[in-house]
Amino acid sequence: GEDVEQSLFLSVREGDSSVINCTYTDSSSTYLYWYKQEPGAGLQLLTYIFSNMDMKQDQRLTVLLNKKDKHLSLRIADTQTGDSAIYFCAESIYRNDMRFGAGTRLTVKP
Amino acid sequence: DGGITQSPKYLFRKEGQNVTLSCEQNLNHDAMYWYRQDPGQGLRLIYYSQIVNDFQKGDIAEGYSVSREKKESFPLTVTSAQKNPTAFYLCASRRDRGDYGYTFGSGTRLTVV
Repeated sequence: GEDVEQSLFLSVREGDSSVINCTYTDSSSTYLYWYKQEPGAGLQLLTYIFSNMDMKQDQRLTVLLNKKDKHLSLRIADTQTGDSAIYFCAESIYRNDMRFGAGTRLTVKP
Repeated sequence: DGGITQSPKYLFRKEGQNVTLSCEQNLNHDAMYWYRQDPGQGLRLIYYSQIVNDFQKGDIAEGYSVSREKKESFPLTVTSAQKNPTAFYLCASRRDRGDYGYTFGSGTRLTVV
């Protein structure tokens, strides 16, 4: 079946911006999500965007959505060492179905 | 505060044993989910339940079983038929309105010894 695709690794310097990209599968997806997972923990919802929006900003986080290309990105401004984690992109096609990407491991170097 | 509680955090299973992972939520969410996480493979859906006394198979249900006798509880049993059970298991529940986002528990790491 089709997969939500993300690159597996990203490494940045502390203070730089991080951009994590995702390609999702279904143009009818209603909501698109970004989750953060720290080591040995569950997933924490970071932010989400409704499909009729192009951009959403929430403090250091900016989500961009390109529906034509089915591309979603998460930008973290002024990345800190505490941002080191795995970031999952997910799409919700309908109430009962959510598809996750494989996750992008973000490493922040001091 | 409301949330999802998974227990135990670590679980060891001998070959041929069944083990049950607990998941309890006090969010009053109707839908609950079990996912398996393996390194580099993201999350794979095992079972989900939208309402009490009803549940559906996900993508990798073989070797697992669930029950949903109460709204708050959705235990997962890993049976001896599951040949490669070592993984991190995550339980989630879903908001019933708005953005329908999931709330996750903190996970159970199961290891076969």
